[in-house]
Parts: sequence; C-alpha cells; structure tokens
Amino acid sequence: ELKVEQNPLFLSMQEGKNYTIYCNYSTTSDRLYWYRQDPGKSLESLFVLLSNGAVKQEGRLMASLDTKARLSTLHITAAVHDLSATYFCAVDLTSKLIFGTGTLLAVQP
Amino acid sequence: DVKVTQSSRYLVKRTGEKVFLECVQDMDHENMFWYRQDPGLGLRLIYFSYDVKMKEKGDIPEGYSVSREKKERFSLILESASTNQTSMYLCASSTLHHGAKNIQYFGAGTRLSVL
Repeated sequence: ELKVEQNPLFLSMQEGKNYTIYCNYSTTSDRLYWYRQDPGKSLESLFVLLSNGAVKQEGRLMASLDTKARLSTLHITAAVHDLSATYFCAVDLTSKLIFGTGTLLAVQP
Repeated sequence: DVKVTQSSRYLVKRTGEKVFLECVQDMDHENMFWYRQDPGLGLRLIYFSYDVKMKEKGDIPEGYSVSREKKERFSLILESASTNQTSMYLCASSTLHHGAKNIQYFGAGTRLSVL
C-alpha cells in the first residue's frame, strides 16, 4: 500500500524566513504534485514534477523531486502572509493520486 | 479554465437519509474522482471513474456508491447516511490527453453534516 507522509504537519513561520516541507512516499512513482488549499476553499494545483531531478519554481515557492529517495520538497523563501494555507503533496499511482495529510502553514508578521 | 462544479456547498441531512452529491465538469475529462477530507487524514479516495458507466473503488468505498451516466457528471450516493459520514466531500476531474499531465482539478467542495 502506498503511503505518502508529509512533515511537518503544522508550520508556524515568521515573515521573511525560509523553510522546507517534506513529502516522503513509499513506492516507485515518477510523478508528483503539489497543491495549495486556502481555508474554506478547494485545492489548487501548484506544481507537477514529472521526473527525477525535476525542479519547478513559482514566486517564493520551489518544488523538487528525487525519485530515488522517494522524496519531494517544497521550499519557501522569505515567507509572506499570503502563503498561509495548507499544502498537500500527491503521488501518481496509475492515474489516481494518493495525497499526503497536508501541512498547515501559518506565516506570522 | 477547467470548471468543476459541485451542486451544494453545504448540506445537512438526517441519519438514514439517502444523499446525492452531484459533480459536473466542463472540460470533457475522462477521469472523475470523489474524495472525502477530514482533519489530520488528508484526502481519501472514495470512488473514481475512467469513463462513462465505469467505476472503481478507492480506499474507503464502504457506505458509498457512485453513478456516471454521462461523461461530464459523476454522482456520489450515500445510501443511508450515518454520522461518521459527516465530512467535506471533494470532486475532481483529470485527463491524460493533450499533455495534460494528469493534473486533477477540484470543485469547491460540499460540507455534509449528518445529524
């Protein structure tokens, strides 16, 4: 059974600081997704990582994928309050996605 | 833009009622999914469908059924609602065609309370 684990589950950060969210998964997959969910809203796609070594960046967020280590990271640079949300990683398993439990990010002024 | 529309944002039902949650997508996606989202558990897949009239069980299908009579519509049915089915329900759709990378697009969610 594929397991997808995120850590930390909750992250309180100060504005301007850097931090990384980790996503570990337990079986082979070459495709990993990151989503963002604002409170009371649905999930919005952030990144799709399609191969080992893939790196994608958008603004203050950068995602990477190491398929050999079965690890993806979401790095936050110089956090701002607008980044406060819950972030999910999801692993592609033959067309269906298995989601991690999510990381609730709270950026404090 | 892909649009996935769920028929209700909030529903309150009584134990034992039959509940229908409807989802419609407008992008001709072949794949559709139903998840439930609970605090601390992330998203868990209930059922999915690769094509009209096809359905596959996800990780937690017990107590649920689905219907896909048309490509754009995927319905989740709670045959006899129970309090442990109180949750947020999310519908999603995706396609592998045209380089779409199998990104799932989500509806706004239905928050169901079963009393």
